[in-house]
Order: sequence, then structure tokens, then C-alpha cells
Amino acid sequence: AQSVTQLGSHVSVSEGALVLLRCNYSSSVPPYLFWYVQYPNQGLQLLLKYTSAATLVKGINGFEAEFKKSETSFHLTKPSAHMSDAAEYFCAVKSYNTDKLIFGTGTRLQVFP
Amino acid sequence: EPEVTQTPSHQVTQMGQEVILRCVPISNHLYFYWYRQILGQKVEFLVSFYNNEISEKSEIFDDQFSVERPDGSNFTLKIRSTKLEDSAMYFCASSERGPRPGSTDTQYFGPGTRLTVL
Repeated sequence: AQSVTQLGSHVSVSEGALVLLRCNYSSSVPPYLFWYVQYPNQGLQLLLKYTSAATLVKGINGFEAEFKKSETSFHLTKPSAHMSDAAEYFCAVKSYNTDKLIFGTGTRLQVFP
Repeated sequence: EPEVTQTPSHQVTQMGQEVILRCVPISNHLYFYWYRQILGQKVEFLVSFYNNEISEKSEIFDDQFSVERPDGSNFTLKIRSTKLEDSAMYFCASSERGPRPGSTDTQYFGPGTRLTVL
């Protein structure tokens, strides 16, 4: 069975600081991995996805994530946080033979001036 | 940019009543999904739909749930007899092509409908 664990339900950083949001997955088959972001009163927006090509994936808004098979991780990073990055971030996993995305519990990112 | 829309944004209903949640997927998309998020819990897959039939469903999607594409634009989720535990945020999503086999076709999500069952 597949699952996703997001460590830290809340993360706070100062504007300009490094953002690191953690995601670990469990999968018996090679996974596809996704990060979605949800701004207040909006839907889930895809930030980036890993599809078994390059292990370092670049997404929108300066975010990137690195797939590390040995650590079963897919952590999301951004070198310099901006106030507009404040949102909830969801990691998700999918296998090749199913329709469904399996989500983590989400991490709420706060950015302080 | 095309987006998935959902109505209403908030629905309040009495236990035992039927509710219909509505979604308008992106116009050229062929695959449709419903997910839900109970407050404080994970976003959970309910059902996927293609070519006017259910493609996959979860254990949550029991006989009280049904989906329909009544016309060329809407995609609906019906809960026949609501229970207190159905209170959640319901997300609709759509994708252009099939999610399988082996596809990573992006699922685009709507803003959600918050269902409150009293």
C-alpha cells in the first residue's frame, strides 16, 4: 500500500529564508510524486511532479524537489521565502496502475516579515 | 487560464437529506474525480469517472454516493442520505488524458465545496 508522511503540520520562516517542507513516501512500486499548494479559498494547484525522469524537479514560483529513493523522500525547497508563499502544501503519491492520488496531511507555511 | 469550478462553495444540510455537489471541469478534459477532506484529516480519493462510467472508486464511495455527468459540462456528486460524518470539503478534479497506464497526467482541482451536515 502507498502512503505519504509530511513531517510538521506547521512551518514558519522569515522572508528571505530557506523553505524546507518534508515528505516521505511508502510505495511498493516506483511512485509518481507530486507537490500541490492551496492558497486560502482556492483549489489545489500543482507545484511540481516527479515522473521517473530527472530526480531534481523544478516547479513554479521557484520551488524544487529532489527524489531520493534511498531515503524514500521528496522534500520541497525554495531558497528564499516570499510573503506570497504562505499557503498549505500537500505532498501526494500515485502509482502507475491506479487513478487516485494519495495525499499527506499537509503543511501550513507561514512567512514572517 | 482554464480552471475547475465548483458550486456551491458552502452547503449546509440536515442529516438524512440528499445533496448534490456540482463541478464544471476544464472543457477539453475527459477524466473527472472527486476527493474529500474531513477537517484536520488527509485529502482522500473518492471516485474517478471516464466515458460516462466509474473508472475507480474507494471504500468510502459506498451506495449512498453516486456521480453523474448530466450534460456536456457538469459533473456531479450526489450523497443520497447525508450523515454527520459526511461533513467535509469536497474537491472536484479533472485531467486531460487518462491517469493510467503509466500516465502522470496532471489532475487539476477546483476550490472545493464545504459540506456541513447538521
